[in-house]
Amino acid sequence: AQKITQTQPGMFVQEKEAVTLDCTYDTSDPSYGLFWYKQPSSGEMIFLIYQGSYDQQNATEGRYSLNFQKARKSANLVISASQLGDSAMYFCAMREGGGGANNLFFGTGTRLTVIP
Amino acid sequence: DTEVTQTPKHLVMGMTNKKSLKCEQHMGHRAMYWYKQKAKKPPELMFVYSYEKLSINESVPSRFSPECPNSSLLNLHLHALQPEDSALYLCASSPWSSGGLFRGSTDTQYFGPGTRLTVL
Repeated sequence: AQKITQTQPGMFVQEKEAVTLDCTYDTSDPSYGLFWYKQPSSGEMIFLIYQGSYDQQNATEGRYSLNFQKARKSANLVISASQLGDSAMYFCAMREGGGGANNLFFGTGTRLTVIP
Repeated sequence: DTEVTQTPKHLVMGMTNKKSLKCEQHMGHRAMYWYKQKAKKPPELMFVYSYEKLSINESVPSRFSPECPNSSLLNLHLHALQPEDSALYLCASSPWSSGGLFRGSTDTQYFGPGTRLTVL
């Protein structure tokens, strides 16, 4: 089974509007972390936001927030007030705890296009 | 500062060439990673170095040879590559070593800008 599922290959959003990028995950480990990365066409993977499985509150970083619903195993990224520079590929990733390798499991990504 | 640098940005090489990719970080991180990313796909983990020792090799062909000369530097030596090895090669680092319990946000991996490799 896929550890991370991103069901939206592509999304469009009007400039200044908010957009939600979906991410569901699968793990039996009680300790895990969820990460979102942005990858512009230049290639660099830019870390955006982190949510830990034991965190009581949803993570926020500027215009980025994470809608964490633990029971549903979802960790959707919300981008508020979209800007043209937000056009990029967005990857959701998970790191499981409990020992073992520091592997990041990536989803297949969502390409976001911001329309002027 | 969460900067990871990679050189070169672009590399074109023939199948008989030997070349190296370089990655550097000055954040005091003790884990460093090499990923390979094909177009429109997520990154795939190749190698993990933990405290300058190779801790993970994800069944990568021997034509890729990693090296960690010190805690700030990671190289990837390339020899006799195939055209299908053309990809974006990303380096990353994180504060903690691989293995052991997950330590939360301090396990965040920070990526460099990547090297776009073309094998002719």
